[in-house]
Parts: sequence; C-alpha cells; structure tokens
Amino acid sequence: KAGVTQTPRYLIKTRGQQVTLSCSPISGHRSVSWYQQTPGQGLQFLFEYFSETQRNKGNFPGRFSGRQFSNSRSEMNVSTLELGDSALYLCASSLSRGPGELFFGEGSRLTVL
Amino acid sequence: TQLLEQSPQFLSIQEGENLTVYCNSSSVFSSLQWYRQEPGEGPVLLVTVVTGGEVKKLKRLTFQFGDARKDSSLHITAAQPGDTGLYLCAGETQFYFGTGTSLTVIP
Repeated sequence: KAGVTQTPRYLIKTRGQQVTLSCSPISGHRSVSWYQQTPGQGLQFLFEYFSETQRNKGNFPGRFSGRQFSNSRSEMNVSTLELGDSALYLCASSLSRGPGELFFGEGSRLTVL
Repeated sequence: TQLLEQSPQFLSIQEGENLTVYCNSSSVFSSLQWYRQEPGEGPVLLVTVVTGGEVKKLKRLTFQFGDARKDSSLHITAAQPGDTGLYLCAGETQFYFGTGTSLTVIP
C-alpha cells in the first residue's frame, strides 16, 4: 500500500515568488491536512480538507491557500513568499475526519532566499 | 487554542539509560496521541490514549494519560540509538501538536 506522497521534496524560491506543493494521500483516505514545521515554531496546523471542502483552518495569513480534488489529492499554495516561509511542509492523510491515525508524507522542504 | 507544552525540549542520553518525556496542557482532551519523527521523515503514530489514567506499553515505551486528561507522559526504558528522533504529542483534533522533544541516544 503506497504511502502519502509529497512533491517536490526540495525547492528553492526567492522572496515574492509563489509556490505550489502537491500531496497524494493513501488510497481511500479522504481527509488531508497540511502542517508547517520549523525549528522555532514546531509543527503548526495550516488547514484540513475533506471531500474537496476546507473543514478547518489554522492561524496563517491568506497567502497560504489550498484545495482538494475529487480524487482526494491536495495542493497548497503560498503566494508572495517571505523569508519566514522557509520550512518543511508536511501533508497527512487519514481515513475520515476525527481523532484517527494521521499518515504523514516525508514533506516538502521549502527554502526562500 | 489547545496548547500542548512538552518537556524537556532537548534530551541527550547514553544508550541504556531511562528517560521520561512530558506533555502538558491546561485543556482537557478526550484522547491524546504520541508520534515519533525521524530525520528526513514525517511523524509516525506510536500510540493513542483515550481514558484518564490509562497506561499503554509498546515494547520499551510506556505511555500514560493523566487522570484529569490534561497531561501525558512517555517513558522509555533502556534507550537505544534507534529511539533517536523528535517525539510529538497531539490532541484529539490533531490541529495542535506539542512543542516536541528532540531525543538523541548516544551509542
């Protein structure tokens, strides 16, 4: 059974650019959540999607957005990149909403110069 | 906001030693999870505790959920280098993760 796949694994951008990250959940999983991980702030929740609808959103500016497709694949976009957006972005999928097991991908490491 | 504070933040011990990691909050949780993240990988679920006072064992790892369901602890017996990683606790909504404990076990 394939795990959660995130692409790209590594990317470098400059300030002001935008970036799109992709997440393919485990087959059959309908819930996808995104997290930002930095050494200083730890693992912070960005948003959760279920059946193509954003169900919950963390405390991030509007530059951070996402969407989910009918096949449960999800993308997140960050516009007008800032130096502080440099982080590991993790995607996690689960069978359904609620307190179940989260299966994480290996993450996309974004560096903003 | 359900804040989860973990302590210690960093821990470096010799192989064979015992250690305890704590996860504390002022909020009550219906369940709490522990994850371990190894370098270059995403977090992996270790255990879910759901009942106040519950104790769960996973080989050399013992997890306890506080009676008031506001705190939890992870005890590792005879730590091994393979235990090295970042340990994270998470509340039931999984929107809030703890601040993390970075454990290094030196051979």
